[in-house]
Amino acid sequence: DIVMTQSPDSLAVSLGERATVNCKSSQSVLYRSNNKNYLAWYQQKPGQPPKLLVYWASTRESGVPDRFSGSGSGTDFTLTISSLQAEDVAVYYCQQYFTTPFTFGPGTKVDIK
Amino acid sequence: EVQLLESGGGLVQPGGSLRLSCAASGFTFRTYGMSWVRQAPGKGLEWVSAISGSGGDAYYADSVKGRFTISRDNSKNTLYVQMNSLRAEDTAVYYCAKANKRGDIYYYYMDVWGKGTTVTVSS
Repeated sequence: DIVMTQSPDSLAVSLGERATVNCKSSQSVLYRSNNKNYLAWYQQKPGQPPKLLVYWASTRESGVPDRFSGSGSGTDFTLTISSLQAEDVAVYYCQQYFTTPFTFGPGTKVDIK
Repeated sequence: EVQLLESGGGLVQPGGSLRLSCAASGFTFRTYGMSWVRQAPGKGLEWVSAISGSGGDAYYADSVKGRFTISRDNSKNTLYVQMNSLRAEDTAVYYCAKANKRGDIYYYYMDVWGKGTTVTVSS
């Protein structure tokens, strides 16, 4: 199974500042035949279901603010919130869909400092 | 509007069974793969199972393999999971989620989620 890890477990950032969440997979999720990384990011606010933010490691889902961006390749990935807003307080999860089981990372809680 | 609505959750004793349903609307259900994802109280997300659009291919997490069965009725736009031999560690909110497809290939990142249904396994 591909094990997903995230760091940090939690972080607190001032409003308007940058927040960075890291995700690492135990093996590459880059499919060489199409050069795509099978990595998605989700946001979950308390009491709500998850919401897709990014797929293919860097493609922003329709309607997601452009302050959210994904980057990375192979085994190391990053979700960046360029200017943290109050409504961005949430837990963020990465997920690989390269192979079953389609594993999630443990989550990173983002809060306001 | 694309919607998913789960039902069937409840309290069940260890060793018991439960069937969850997920009614889909607003998209061509038979075209898309679907997944079940669960979240134990205060914990993270755990992928449970997935199924292709035709229902011909099904996938399971090791933690539920042999106990859970995913299925779908494309004539009713409904996804199911039959859960047998339930354990305390199956206690969670169960979400159904829509996956994606490009051409003939399914990609199991989930772009639409239901609100979830709660399963509690306890005596």
